[in-house]
Amino acid sequence: AQKVTQAQTEISVVEKEDVTLDCVYETRDTTYYLFWYKQPPSGELVFLIRRNSFDEQNEISGRYSWNFQKSTSSFNFTITASQVVDSAVYFCALIRNSGYALNFGKGTSLLVTP
Amino acid sequence: DTAVSQTPKYLVTQMGNDKSIKCEQNLGHDTMYWYKQDSKKFLKIMFSYNNKELIINETVPNRFSPKSPDKAHLNLHINSLELGDSAVYFCASSQTGSAYNEQFFGPGTRLTVL
Repeated sequence: AQKVTQAQTEISVVEKEDVTLDCVYETRDTTYYLFWYKQPPSGELVFLIRRNSFDEQNEISGRYSWNFQKSTSSFNFTITASQVVDSAVYFCALIRNSGYALNFGKGTSLLVTP
Repeated sequence: DTAVSQTPKYLVTQMGNDKSIKCEQNLGHDTMYWYKQDSKKFLKIMFSYNNKELIINETVPNRFSPKSPDKAHLNLHINSLELGDSAVYFCASSQTGSAYNEQFFGPGTRLTVL
């Protein structure tokens, strides 16, 4: 069975603070894929990043960075120098190699205040 | 151009009614999905279609019936609507071949059952 846990339900930070959103997953598969999606207040789901289970390289994209550690089954997401526009619900998701469905975590609601 | 579109965006109806939500994608993908997001923002797969064939049918009441007339469309028909069906329904599509392929989501349809 696949499971994704985002233990932080809500996080509130002040603009320019760094914030890390945690994602821990469970799977018995050796090949699987991890995703992060953003859902801003407007409601759409925006793809941020994907990672396959064999690629543990960290990734940086502007103010966003992702840390994938198979040893701890975690795929954490850090926003550096947060901005108000980062306020959204962030979802971590897992899909098995032969799968057709994303298994989502319950999401972390991030509020960035000025 | 909109990649994945859904109509209507909002749907308000009475208990017991039958309603449909339409989804179209112009990405040339051959796999389409329906996800349900409940009031707590939890996203869960309902159905997955590949080349017009049903691949996944999660534990969804049989009042929900997906229909795929062609690879670009996946409609969702709901019979005898209940209060608990109130949610946001997201359609998505991806290219078959790898579960690593990004799933592109539509804007969502907010269904309210009174």
